[in-house]
Amino acid sequence: DIQMTQSPSSLSASVGDRVTITCRASQSISSYLNWYQQKPGKAPKLLIYAASSLQSGVPSRFSGSGSGTDFTLTISSLQPEDFATYYCQQSYSTLRTFGQGTRLEIK
Amino acid sequence: QVQLVQSGAEVKKPGASVKVSCKASGYTFTSYGISWVRQAPGQGLEWMGWISAYNGNTNYAQKLQGRVTMTTDTSTSTAYMELRSLRSDDTAVYYCARDLHDDYGHPMWVYWGQGTLVTVSS
Repeated sequence: DIQMTQSPSSLSASVGDRVTITCRASQSISSYLNWYQQKPGKAPKLLIYAASSLQSGVPSRFSGSGSGTDFTLTISSLQPEDFATYYCQQSYSTLRTFGQGTRLEIK
Repeated sequence: QVQLVQSGAEVKKPGASVKVSCKASGYTFTSYGISWVRQAPGQGLEWMGWISAYNGNTNYAQKLQGRVTMTTDTSTSTAYMELRSLRSDDTAVYYCARDLHDDYGHPMWVYWGQGTLVTVSS
C-alpha cells in the first residue's frame, strides 16, 4: 500500500496566519492527491483535488501544490471557521490511503 | 441533488457481524462507485474498500480482507458494507462516499453519507 505521511500532526495558529501542511507519499503518485477538511461530528469535506485544483465553493485562501511524492496545503489567511483537522488522500492506487491528519488549533 | 443516507447506529457484541446501508438518490446509481471509510473515536480516516455499482467489482483494504464484504442492490440504489468477526477496535463511525472524477480522470469524494456509529462492546 502507498503510505501517506503528513506533518505536522498538530498545529497552533492565529486568525490571519498563513499555514502550510505537508504530505509525503511513499512512492510517486503523480498529481493524484486530494485534501479534505473535517470538523467534529461531520463527514470530511473536499477542499483540493488533483493536488492543486480548488473544489467548487471552497474559499480561494486554500491552495494546494506538489506532484510526485511531496505536496502542500496552504491556507493564506486563517479564518475562525478553518480550525479543523485536515487529511491528505492518495487516489493513484486503487487501494486508497489517507494521511494521519493534521489538527489545526487556535493559538 | 445527490444524497447518501446511511442506516442508523448499531451496537454489537464481539464476534458478531454488522451490515451498514447507504441509500443513494439524485443520480444514476450504476454510474459511480462507492467507497467506505471509517473513523475510530479520536482517530484518523481509514479507507476500507470500494465497490463498482455498475458491475459489483470490489477492492478491499488489505487489513480487512476476509472480514469485509461490500455489495449493492441496484433495484433500491443502495450500497451495503458488512463487517464480520467484530472486535472492540472496529468501534467507529462508518461513512460511504460516492466516486467523482475530473476531466482528467482524477478520483475524488465530494458526496458523503452522514456516517453510522458502530459500537462493539460486550
